[in-house]
Amino acid sequence: DAGVTQSPTHLIKTRGQQVTLRCSPKSGHDTVSWYQQALGQGPQFIFQYYEEEERQRGNFPDRFSGHQFPNYSSELNVNALLLGDSALYLCASTRALSYEQYFGPGTRLTVT
Amino acid sequence: GQSLEQPSEVTAVEGAIVQINCTYQTSGFYGLSWYQQHDGGAPTFLSYNALDGLEETGRFSSFLSRSDSYGYLLLQELQMKDSASYFCAVRGSSNTGKLIFGQGTTLQVKP
Repeated sequence: DAGVTQSPTHLIKTRGQQVTLRCSPKSGHDTVSWYQQALGQGPQFIFQYYEEEERQRGNFPDRFSGHQFPNYSSELNVNALLLGDSALYLCASTRALSYEQYFGPGTRLTVT
Repeated sequence: GQSLEQPSEVTAVEGAIVQINCTYQTSGFYGLSWYQQHDGGAPTFLSYNALDGLEETGRFSSFLSRSDSYGYLLLQELQMKDSASYFCAVRGSSNTGKLIFGQGTTLQVKP
C-alpha cells in the first residue's frame, strides 16, 4: 500500500515564475492538506481539499491556489514566485475527519 | 492570535527518559497531536490527545491538560534513532482537521 507521494522531489525556479506541485494521497484517503515548512520552522497550513472543493484556507495570499481531482489527488500552484516562497511543501492526506494525517516526503522548492 | 510554545532543543543520553512540553493558545481546540520529523523527511504521526490524561503507545506517551492549555510528549528508553525534531500540533477545527504546528523541538540523543 503506497503512502502519500509527491512530485517533484526538488525544484528550482526563478522569482516571478509559476510552479505546480503534485500529491497523491494514501489509498483510501479523500482529504488532502498542503503545508509550507520553512527551514527550522514548523509546517504552516496553506489549505485543505475535500470533495474537490477548498474546505479551509490558512493565511496565504491568492498567489497560492490548488485543485483536487476526482481520484483525490491534488495540485498546489504558486504564481509570481518570491524568494520567501523557498520552503519544503508538504502534502498530508487523511480519511474524512480522522485526526491522524499522513504526510508525504515533500517537495523542496528553491526560488532564486 | 494562535501560538504553540515548545523548547527549541533538548539533549539526552541513550536509555534515558525525556519530556518535551508544549503550551498552546489557539482560537479553537479539538485535540493535540505529536509528530516526529527526521532531517529532510516527512513528519510522522506519534500520538493524539483529545481528552485530558495520558495516552501510551510503546515507548512514547503523551499527556494533555486542557484547563492548563498544556501537553507533553514523554519518550522512554531513548535510542539513537530518536534523534529528530518533534512537533506538537493543535487540531484547530472539528470539521477540517487543520493542524496548527509549534516551531518544533530538536532532540539530540547522545551515546
